[in-house]
Amino acid sequence: AQTVTQSQPEMSVQEAETVTLSCTYDTSESDYYLFWYKQPPSRQMILVIRQEAYKQQNATENRFSVNFQKAAKSFSLKISDSQLGDAAMYFCAYRSGLGGSNYKLTFGKGTLLTVNP
Amino acid sequence: NAGVTQTPKFQVLKTGQSMTLQCAQDMNHEYMSWYRQDPGMGLRLIHYSVGAGITDQGEVPNGYNVSRSTTEDFPLRLLSAAPSQTSVYFCASGGFYGYTFGSGTRLTVV
Repeated sequence: AQTVTQSQPEMSVQEAETVTLSCTYDTSESDYYLFWYKQPPSRQMILVIRQEAYKQQNATENRFSVNFQKAAKSFSLKISDSQLGDAAMYFCAYRSGLGGSNYKLTFGKGTLLTVNP
Repeated sequence: NAGVTQTPKFQVLKTGQSMTLQCAQDMNHEYMSWYRQDPGMGLRLIHYSVGAGITDQGEVPNGYNVSRSTTEDFPLRLLSAAPSQTSVYFCASGGFYGYTFGSGTRLTVV
């Protein structure tokens, strides 16, 4: 079974600074997808960014980018120019590249990000 | 608006009571799932479905039942609520490229 580990229960960053959230995973598969989800106090789960394992290029969405190291099974999220609205719980998640029942997501335990003004 | 509709948003139950959490999606997704979120535990999969008539257990299925009679609906049933089922519940639907989550149900069992 796949596992996802987020080793930082809490992180803080100053507004306008850059912060990196860590995520490692364990899998024997070669084809899979990795996700970062944001959960603000409203508790809505919001997809931040997605990375396909077969792509060597790191995914980027505006101020959010990932550092995907497939051999090391590492998938960190970098938030640049942090804003107060970035304060939230962030979850890393894994999904197998196979279809059918393998569509299920496996989540890490989350990192609570605080943004200081 | 297209998405996942989850009801109710809040619920308080007494131990032993039963209830159904409703989940409906209008995106024609085959895959739907239920998660529970507890402090320090992340989101854990309860049950999932890959299409109408097909369901399977996830990581923490005990105490919960599901059925999938249509593509749109995937209700979660608590047959006899226990305090250990106090949690926030999320329904999600999706597939190849990503998932859409409902707004969650905060359930308290007293």
